[in-house]
Amino acid sequence: SGELTQPPSVSVSPGQTASIFCSGDKLGDKFASWYQQRPGQSPVLVIFQDTKRPSGVPDRFSASNSGNTATLTISGAQAMDEADYYCQAWDNTVVIFGGGTKLTVL
Amino acid sequence: QAQLVESGGGVVQPGRSLRLSCVASGLTLSNYDMHWVRQAPGKGLEWVAGISDNGRNNYYADSVKGRFTLSRDNSKNSLFLQLNSLRPEDSATYYCAKDESTSATFGPAFDLWGQGTFVTVSS
Repeated sequence: SGELTQPPSVSVSPGQTASIFCSGDKLGDKFASWYQQRPGQSPVLVIFQDTKRPSGVPDRFSASNSGNTATLTISGAQAMDEADYYCQAWDNTVVIFGGGTKLTVL
Repeated sequence: QAQLVESGGGVVQPGRSLRLSCVASGLTLSNYDMHWVRQAPGKGLEWVAGISDNGRNNYYADSVKGRFTLSRDNSKNSLFLQLNSLRPEDSATYYCAKDESTSATFGPAFDLWGQGTFVTVSS
């Protein structure tokens, strides 16, 4: 099974746009999901099927997936968006997660 | 409100066994594929195993294949993970997670997670 690679950390100023990248071999041929995990809490699904937002997820969260890279974009980042973010895909009967990216809003 | 509640975690010696349970409320578990995901302290998420809605198909990470067994009892809205031959590297919070879709077309995405149950493997 493949691997998904994320940058360990990303920083963004409040109100600005943050992009978190997830790379993997032919990731664009698979469906990517994204999870937000705040400290001490369980993960929360913020994007599924590459671009869809679950009910209740703010529309400042968007995503794309093409080629070897999936991208999570947070427009107008807020302090409450500070968290760890994980990408995830399904590859040949195995679920794979990226290593996670710590988003700092400062 | 839909909820998943895990239990069964604890401290166990290497080589011993443990059985984790996940009980669902506010939803009919038999409609969904279900999974376990674990997270070692300070580390990232690691998928452990998944089971189809009817229990006929199981999938395991290489790291646990042959040692862990996933099962379900839809009549009790419950999911179980039997952990055998435990190793120190199995120490983690184990989360039960529900697949958001009833279709296998897109692969799993986990839209409902439990609070987790912690397993410590140590002598």
